[in-house]
Amino acid sequence: ELKVEQNPLFLSMQEGKNYTIYCNYSTTSDRLYWYRQDPGKSLESLFVLLSNGAVKQEGRLMASLDTKARLSTLHITAAVHDLSATYFCAVGRGSSNTGKLIFGQGTTLQVKP
Amino acid sequence: SQTIHQWPATLVQPVGSPLSLECTVEGTSNPNLYWYRQAAGRGLQLLFYSVGIGQISSEVPQNLSASRPQDRQFILSSKKLLLSDSGFYLCAWSEQTNQPQHFGDGTRLSIL
Repeated sequence: ELKVEQNPLFLSMQEGKNYTIYCNYSTTSDRLYWYRQDPGKSLESLFVLLSNGAVKQEGRLMASLDTKARLSTLHITAAVHDLSATYFCAVGRGSSNTGKLIFGQGTTLQVKP
Repeated sequence: SQTIHQWPATLVQPVGSPLSLECTVEGTSNPNLYWYRQAAGRGLQLLFYSVGIGQISSEVPQNLSASRPQDRQFILSSKKLLLSDSGFYLCAWSEQTNQPQHFGDGTRLSIL
């Protein structure tokens, strides 16, 4: 059974600091996604990672994938308050035709001025 | 461009009442469709998914059901709601590729 674990689950950081969120998964998968959720809102897609060594960057966020270690990271550079949200990683399960995903528990990021 | 509509946005229902949540997608054909539930402060639990009209797969045993009467319409139903059915329900769609799922705005369901 595929399990996805994120850590930390809660992260409070100062503006301008760097930090990394980790996403570990238990069985082989060929696709991993990162999403953002603002309080009371729906999920917004951030990154799609489909191969070992894939790296994607958007603004102050950078995501990477190591399929051999079954690990993805979401790195935050020089955090700003607008990045405060809950971040989920999701790992593909089974055939890509079904598109089924297993989500991590989420990491709530709080950036303090 | 593709859009996903989900309604209602909020719903308060008594225990034992029926439920019908609707989701429609525009601008694409034969999408994969998904229903998720998110408990307060928790991750997403996949409830149902569908790869085509009339094709529904259930992920967890429960008193909910799903139907796909049209290509781009996905309905979540219950005959009798339980207190444990409270939560934030999200509909999502994806193409049958490695592209990400796209989520609707969600329905916040409270059971009294």
